[in-house]
Amino acid sequence: DAKTTQPPSMDCAEGRAANLPCNHSTISGNEYVYWYRQIHSQGPQYIIHGLKNNETNEMASLIITEDRKSSTLILPHATLRDTAVYYCIVRGVDRGSTLGRLYFGRGTQLTVWP
Amino acid sequence: DGGITQSPKYLFRKEGQNVTLSCEQNLNHDAMYWYRQDPGQGLRLIYYSQIVNDFQKGDIAEGYSVSREKKESFPLTVTSAQKNPTAFYLCASKRGDQETQYFGPGTRLLVL
Repeated sequence: DAKTTQPPSMDCAEGRAANLPCNHSTISGNEYVYWYRQIHSQGPQYIIHGLKNNETNEMASLIITEDRKSSTLILPHATLRDTAVYYCIVRGVDRGSTLGRLYFGRGTQLTVWP
Repeated sequence: DGGITQSPKYLFRKEGQNVTLSCEQNLNHDAMYWYRQDPGQGLRLIYYSQIVNDFQKGDIAEGYSVSREKKESFPLTVTSAQKNPTAFYLCASKRGDQETQYFGPGTRLLVL
């Protein structure tokens, strides 16, 4: 699986958009980009995933560059409850390999302040 | 409500003692996973199971054991051979045809 690089920490004012970057320059053509978040002392929560098109759901938007070497998770109106560690993960869909393994790095600690 | 549960929330282990962490899901998911998380670190895979009565070692299986006798249950035993068991343990599951994993709330294991 491709390695991802994220900044260790970011801040955001409540009500503003939080833009979390992720670099995955070695991503291959069939690998998806996944985002999870983990609020302190809880299990990780799935946010969104995409292959090459931009994606949006009720939680966030995912913008993937045309060359797919980086992506940005956007929380359009951050709240205090969005304070968490955000993990960017690149995972292939080759079911012949180690099934469904997600490689979690250290992620980005997002702090939303009032 | 469908979901994945872990118990207990906190668990204390004495030296030389085996302890078992529970993980149950009613999502009818085929695959289940156990991860370990140390402070300030990402998650590391201990064991995973694709189907009942089958499981594979992950990256840090030494000192741990699992069983998968039922589809909805995947208990993890932390044996006395695990010399540094203090950590946050997370269980996850997923459908066989999807890649998204769903996590339980975790169990924090502390050594007395």
